[in-house]
Amino acid sequence: GQQVMQIPQYQHVQEGEDFTTYCNSSTTLSNIQWYKQRPGGHPVFLIQLVKSGEVKKQKRLTFQFGEAKKNSSLHITATQTTDVGTYFCAAHNAGGTSYGKLTFGQGTILTVHP
Amino acid sequence: DAGVIQSPRHEVTEMGQEVTLRCKPISGHDYLFWYRQTMMRGLELLIYFNNNVPIDDSGMPEDRFSAKMPNASFSTLKIQPSEPRDSAVYFCASTPRVLNTQYFGPGTRLTVL
Repeated sequence: GQQVMQIPQYQHVQEGEDFTTYCNSSTTLSNIQWYKQRPGGHPVFLIQLVKSGEVKKQKRLTFQFGEAKKNSSLHITATQTTDVGTYFCAAHNAGGTSYGKLTFGQGTILTVHP
Repeated sequence: DAGVIQSPRHEVTEMGQEVTLRCKPISGHDYLFWYRQTMMRGLELLIYFNNNVPIDDSGMPEDRFSAKMPNASFSTLKIQPSEPRDSAVYFCASTPRVLNTQYFGPGTRLTVL
């Protein structure tokens, strides 16, 4: 089945430093979604990327979808303590009997030290 | 809208007991998903429904797990008998259309002693 690999597993930064997490697939993806899960909380949707080479920004967060639609990244500029949590990428099965199934990466746990 | 509702929020039970987790999706959402989250295995899809019909249950670990969706506003995930390795956080999520955003409930933290 479809797999998405996400690195790094953990990232510890000082407040104000930048942070990046990467998501890779061996197959072409129809789209990629990013979710954030605060400690003790549930995954919350951040954004969806669909087009090859697409770049979207949300304040200090920048999301990219690779030209080949096989990789994606999330970059946070000048991290704050409110950025703490686990960031997941997720990709949809766009065909076959499991159409619509969302496969999640393993997530990157971000810790921000004040 | 109240969002996806799950109950109970916490469940502690003993090995061998039956456990039933409940989910009420957002009204109007045609798709409902059950996930399990553990540190070792991450976020795993167990089963999902479209218009109350199970579409893919390949993630259900074994016959001890079963899920139903008797109507558009209610779904259950049952474990019988429960085992300590079933301890995890179980999330329910719903979405109005395929390939769309998934809205997660707060989860049920299950501990099997």
